[in-house]
Amino acid sequence: DTGVSQDPRHKITKRGQNVTFRCDPISEHNRLYWYRQTLGQGPEFLTYFQNEAQLEKSRLLSDRFSAERPKGSFSTLEIQRTEQGDSAMYLCASSQGQTQPQHFGDGTRLSIL
Amino acid sequence: QKEVEQDPGPLSVPEGAIVSLNCTYSNSAFQYFMWYRQYSRKGPELLMYTYSSGNKEDGRFTAQVDKSSKYISLFIRDSQPSDSATYLCAMSLHTGGFKTIFGAGTRLFVKA
Repeated sequence: DTGVSQDPRHKITKRGQNVTFRCDPISEHNRLYWYRQTLGQGPEFLTYFQNEAQLEKSRLLSDRFSAERPKGSFSTLEIQRTEQGDSAMYLCASSQGQTQPQHFGDGTRLSIL
Repeated sequence: QKEVEQDPGPLSVPEGAIVSLNCTYSNSAFQYFMWYRQYSRKGPELLMYTYSSGNKEDGRFTAQVDKSSKYISLFIRDSQPSDSATYLCAMSLHTGGFKTIFGAGTRLFVKA
């Protein structure tokens, strides 16, 4: 299967620690998106890349969050000094250009102790 | 008011029933409309996407878009227990574009 891959699937950490998630998109897709989803809600947009360029960031993405997509392939999302409110599912999606639908990975579930 | 409104359910139906899922939205600029299915602890899986108004059918699934009423629907015929999941509507100015807004999802249970 060559779908969107996310690692790790589940991350448990203590408040104040830094965490980093990885996303490998579908290989030919040039757009990559990060979303956050909490229980009972739909995914909320965080940021997106076209190739290696980060083109848009949501106001949800505080300065503790940073995302990168070096060389336009995989992407990482880092959260510094984690807080209880960061507990959520972090989803990655990719698409081939602007006119194609997004395909999602199975997410990284973050639990803050 | 949210840009996309979706009844969270839960919706419980017997196997074989026709299921109707709906969303309303407020931004008339939305052009592309999607339905995703999400199983527990999994990512959303694309089911249908349509451009502008009209109907689209794929197997047991039919998507309808009424832009004049700002209302979209997903119909599932001959529902199966394996259809039990959360169904998310989503819409964007350009499919795959950065501004894709999701509904909160409707939980569906299909009883055998």
